[in-house]
Amino acid sequence: NAGVTQTPKFRILKIGQSMTLQCTQDMNHNYMYWYRQDPGMGLKLIYYSVGAGITDKGEVPNGYNVSRSTTEDFPLRLELAAPSQTSVYFCASSQGQGSYEQYFGPGTRLTVT
Amino acid sequence: AQSVAQPEDQVNVAEGNPLTVKCTYSVSGNPYLFWYVQYPNRGLQFLLKYITGDNLVKGSYGFEAEFNKSQTSFHLKKPSALVSDSALYFCAVPNPGGYNKLIFGAGTRLAVHP
Repeated sequence: NAGVTQTPKFRILKIGQSMTLQCTQDMNHNYMYWYRQDPGMGLKLIYYSVGAGITDKGEVPNGYNVSRSTTEDFPLRLELAAPSQTSVYFCASSQGQGSYEQYFGPGTRLTVT
Repeated sequence: AQSVAQPEDQVNVAEGNPLTVKCTYSVSGNPYLFWYVQYPNRGLQFLLKYITGDNLVKGSYGFEAEFNKSQTSFHLKKPSALVSDSALYFCAVPNPGGYNKLIFGAGTRLAVHP
């Protein structure tokens, strides 16, 4: 199993541009998450999904959108990129309720200039 | 509100010495506690968890964690550090909103020197 995969690994965006960060998992997990990691701040939850067609906001959803059309895929969309969105983005997945063990992808390092 | 605190930004240890990475928590009810590790340029990996039972929990890579209810702590330990243990360590507790969501601490960078 590949686990959780993310593309791209790195990206530089200009202010106002848009992009989609891709995330795919092959473990048939229902729960998926998007985090951003800023230095010294730990991980902040952006959005999460509990199954295909079901998404909800986390702590820091502004400036982002998600969709979940299949169990495997959970893309994160950045509209009108801003320098404050410079960060490392991680996608994760988890099995059923109560397991709490999350499996993380390798991350996407995004710079907005 | 559920929260965790990692009081040290960085911990420095010589190879072969014991290591401790500290975590304190604030939760309502019985605590579920977790440790994750992030190696350079990688995503987080699950290390171990405390749900109930023995206060000393064993996890991956020779790590263990000691749950102390009176001190509301869940410190990560290893008897003999390796240079390859150098990484960022995160303590976490469940988010009350459910769905396996976690609240992570700010992280502690462990540097093991040869």
